[in-house]
Amino acid sequence: RKEVEQDPGPFNVPEGATVAFNCTYSNSASQSFFWYRQDCRKEPKLLMSVYSSGNEDGRFTAQLNRASQYISLLIRDSKLSDSATYLCVLNTDKLIFGTGTRLQVFP
Amino acid sequence: GAGVSQSPSNKVTEKGKDVELRCDPISGHTALYWYRQSLGQGLEFLIYFQGNSAPDKSGLPSDRFSAERTGGSVSTLTIQRTQQEDSAVYLCASSFGTGGDEQYFGPGTRLTVT
Repeated sequence: RKEVEQDPGPFNVPEGATVAFNCTYSNSASQSFFWYRQDCRKEPKLLMSVYSSGNEDGRFTAQLNRASQYISLLIRDSKLSDSATYLCVLNTDKLIFGTGTRLQVFP
Repeated sequence: GAGVSQSPSNKVTEKGKDVELRCDPISGHTALYWYRQSLGQGLEFLIYFQGNSAPDKSGLPSDRFSAERTGGSVSTLTIQRTQQEDSAVYLCASSFGTGGDEQYFGPGTRLTVT
């Protein structure tokens, strides 16, 4: 079983839609979690950290469920510029990246 | 300030040749990571350096791969006797510390082995 699993998508949604991605992880000792964003043929960049209490940054909300070992990312009011691949990342003694979920927002 | 830089941005080489990929981390970052990303795939961890500690080489796929970091700054990833399956984007990242610190990625080197 992979340490981090994500639905590869693609998720095709219209502008203004709300979309959510889930990511499951197998290592219960993971200390912290992140969502990174990767645009096509670009390097990954940190989108947000994920805290136990959940956290929100504008249109983006990240939540952690330790009991079920998953994290989620919710994007509200999708914009065309949100089109990218979203990488779920967990931290053990180093960062472990998921293969990503591709989002395509259309007009 | 300057971000992570990598060179070359693209490299085409013949099977069997050796290649060297360079990474200049952000000044002051003590941790440096190398990853590989094949087309449509996730990031595959290769190796990481933290300060003066022995590097974590657990992700290197074979003994044809090696890396060094001189003076705690610049790093070079060397692939000997390249194979076609080595074709990928090689990404370098650095962070202020390890663990949960944000990793800043360079633009990558796209390696094509013909």
